[in-house]
Amino acid sequence: GQNIDQPTEMTATEGAIVQINCTYQTSGFNGLFWYQQHAGEAPTFLSYNVLDGLEEKGRFSSFLSRSKGYSYLLLKELQMKDSASYLCVGNDYKLSFGAGTTVTVRA
Amino acid sequence: GAVVSQHPSRVICKSGTSVKIECRSLDFQATTMFWYRQFPKKSLMLMATSNEGSKATYEQGVEKDKFLINHASLTLSTLTVTSAHPEDSSFYICSARGPTGVNSNQPQHFGDGTRLSIL
Repeated sequence: GQNIDQPTEMTATEGAIVQINCTYQTSGFNGLFWYQQHAGEAPTFLSYNVLDGLEEKGRFSSFLSRSKGYSYLLLKELQMKDSASYLCVGNDYKLSFGAGTTVTVRA
Repeated sequence: GAVVSQHPSRVICKSGTSVKIECRSLDFQATTMFWYRQFPKKSLMLMATSNEGSKATYEQGVEKDKFLINHASLTLSTLTVTSAHPEDSSFYICSARGPTGVNSNQPQHFGDGTRLSIL
């Protein structure tokens, strides 16, 4: 199984940058996903890291350090629509979900 | 990209009713599908893993006779909540991952979820 830990809430200003950290402890590891979930909706896939380093996709980037059991999701040029919960998800065939970080973007 | 369709999106019914939720992979074959439930402001909790052509694998604490799962084809899994009661009210979400062999690196794609309300 996996133990996923991420902050509960973060608040940032429109146009700013926010970094959501995630630490994990796993008995098996086959990569780490980040999902975005708006209230009342299903999660949508953002990124996947299986090797160490930074993966960049437009305004969103995700980083992984396997030796440290650590990942982060970086959101740049924040927009109001980015207000959502961000889920750090360990992949050990079955997914293990963190509780999610609720990001609130303010004008 | 991969699309998962879940139906219905919302169900309101009386206590004691059985409710069936369908999860379909629309443009790929899904040998494995997963069923989750989510309470307000809580994380997704895996209920069971649905395997095409075989019995589902239930997580600890999930009643298999209460939550019946059928995965009769490579594109369809169903979850039936039998004799539903108010405590079964929740957001149920399915996800699917295509045939991977030993490669489980493909992301899971989620259906839109079903909001079940039992009166």
